[in-house]
Amino acid sequence: EIVLTQSPGTLSLSPGERATLSCRASQSLPSTYLAWYQQKPGQAPRLLIYGASSRATGIPDRFSGTGSGAHFTLTISRLEPEDFAVYYCQQYDSSPLTFGGGTRVEIK
Amino acid sequence: VQLVESGGGLVQPGRSLRLSCAATGFTFDDYAMHWVRQLPGRGLEWVSSISWNSGTIAYADSVKGRFTISRDNAKNSLYLQMNSLRPEDTAFYYCTKGLEYSSSYNYLDSWGQGTLVTVSS
Repeated sequence: EIVLTQSPGTLSLSPGERATLSCRASQSLPSTYLAWYQQKPGQAPRLLIYGASSRATGIPDRFSGTGSGAHFTLTISRLEPEDFAVYYCQQYDSSPLTFGGGTRVEIK
Repeated sequence: VQLVESGGGLVQPGRSLRLSCAATGFTFDDYAMHWVRQLPGRGLEWVSSISWNSGTIAYADSVKGRFTISRDNAKNSLYLQMNSLRPEDTAFYYCTKGLEYSSSYNYLDSWGQGTLVTVSS
């Protein structure tokens, strides 16, 4: 099973700042099958990014994903008030599907 | 796309519960479906998946032999039969939509709101 490690655990930033979230896999994802989700309190997760860098339908372009191999990054270029949430990465390169432990982006 | 789960609740250890998910807004029988759970205040854990025609089914090791996933394409519905429930099965259970046909190599592009299962005496 592929283990995903997200860092930092919590990111304290102000609106307008840039957020950089990391997701490291315990082994390489040769097909870059890595997705990112956003979860707000009391809500279900929402797909942001798939294939490491493709934005899902309706996702603003301030969200971008990069990476390959075993290291992936989600960047939010300028934080909007609605972006403060928990973010999870998920790999679907091999079975079972696995998720990272999450990064909380909180208002500083 | 709308996914609506039902069937959660409080159940004693060792008992059973059946979750249902009603799907609308897409051609249900073309898509793989998955169950994902989340312990309250904790991270996400994939539970089970089923391909479009029920030909491929998979389970997390933590539920294998106790949970059974199934679908009824005529009713646009997904199910999770949970037997021999344990306190560590307490979680929100989400019905999620995968990709067309195969349940392998799936990201999850739509999620229901979840149903809470509490296993406690």
